[in-house]
Amino acid sequence: DTGVSQDPRHKITKRGQNVTFRCDPISEHNRLYWYRQTLGQGPEFLTYFQNEAQLEKSRLLSDRFSAERPKGSFSTLEIQRTEQGDSAMYLCASSPGTGELGEQYFGPGTRLTVT
Amino acid sequence: QKEVEQNSGPLSVPEGAIASLNCTYSDRGSQSFFWYRQYSGKSPELIMSIYSNGDKEDGRFTAQLNKASQYVSLLIRDSQPSDSATYLCAPDRPDKLIFGTGTRLQVFP
Repeated sequence: DTGVSQDPRHKITKRGQNVTFRCDPISEHNRLYWYRQTLGQGPEFLTYFQNEAQLEKSRLLSDRFSAERPKGSFSTLEIQRTEQGDSAMYLCASSPGTGELGEQYFGPGTRLTVT
Repeated sequence: QKEVEQNSGPLSVPEGAIASLNCTYSDRGSQSFFWYRQYSGKSPELIMSIYSNGDKEDGRFTAQLNKASQYVSLLIRDSQPSDSATYLCAPDRPDKLIFGTGTRLQVFP
């Protein structure tokens, strides 16, 4: 069983550059989530998709952030004009979207460093 | 009041002891909960789910839920150094998981 995968695992970029991350969920999982985690904090919700529809966005997701899941499979998260405050671990998770519980399974994360 | 609160720790226990990790929550409507384990530099890993009052056991792990007190806990029996990690709790919600800061557990030999 293939888990959630994310690419790249690490990204170092200069302030002002754009970056894009990819997430491939567990096969047949309908729901896909993006979180951001900084040191000493739990993951913070950014956005989630039910199939290809983006159903909720956090206030944390400024206009510089955009996420897509065009065919209801993989998803991308783009950050435009990166700032040093964007440095964090970006986590993707997926969930079956069916059944009684909504367990989410996380990918390995993409660690972003903005210099 | 935060939706989920955990003592950030560290909680230090000797090898072989019982580690008790606690979590309180504010939303009385929360029906079920997850416990995740996160090793340093890694992503969270789901280790337990609990959806009814009382205890649920899985190997060395026991999750306890008390809805009246809005309290959920995780007990780790026979703690091992490999259990050293941050433990995160989150109420089950379809739209997103809201995590506390997590409790850092250190098991020393």
